[in-house]
Amino acid sequence: NAGVTQTPKFRVLKTGQSMTLLCAQDMNHEYMYWYRQDPGMGLRLIHYSVGEGTTAKGEVPDGYNVSRLKKQNFLLGLESAAPSQTSVYFCASSYEGTHYYGYTFGSGTRLTVV
Amino acid sequence: ILNVEQSPQSLHVQEGDSTNFTCSFPSSNFYALHWYRWETAKSPEALFVMTLNGDEKKKGRISATLNTKEGYSYLYIKGSQPEDSATYLCAFSYSGNTPLVFGKGTRLSVIA
Repeated sequence: NAGVTQTPKFRVLKTGQSMTLLCAQDMNHEYMYWYRQDPGMGLRLIHYSVGEGTTAKGEVPDGYNVSRLKKQNFLLGLESAAPSQTSVYFCASSYEGTHYYGYTFGSGTRLTVV
Repeated sequence: ILNVEQSPQSLHVQEGDSTNFTCSFPSSNFYALHWYRWETAKSPEALFVMTLNGDEKKKGRISATLNTKEGYSYLYIKGSQPEDSATYLCAFSYSGNTPLVFGKGTRLSVIA
């Protein structure tokens, strides 16, 4: 019963490098989300997906791209990392929208850009 | 951008005390209000999902109420225990297809 799995858990990048964060869920959830968490800022939505093949921008999408080629996976890409992208990234999924069910969160990826 | 406000930011209580926190959200176009419990070094876990004005939900010593007309929800913890120490997040949505907007949380520390 894995739930939502994020890889990697930790990463240090140099400015300008690229990387992809992987989120995988085994609950057959339609909706998936990427949030970032910064001190004093709370969770802010980067991108989300309402189903396989769909993506949409959230509150802070600049500098990130996403893909949802398979229902169970939601990838977050940083094409050219910047120090401002140092954060803890959380992936979440939900069975449908927000009416009856809460989100299931992954354990987070701590990213440092130097 | 929708604003979800939580107060207080942090709270220290003695073991056995009862406490409550507030979540304020836009009262127009309400769809759902969630509460999450977030322990240090873990991920947020859903406590309650509330959709109807006047809703009251309870899980053990924790309960929540919802007033959609005035745009607030209260979370109550009765007889706080050290294991209740965590950050409590509320989150709001105005439609079934829009993602949750989270408040910044209330950090609770229960001192034994």
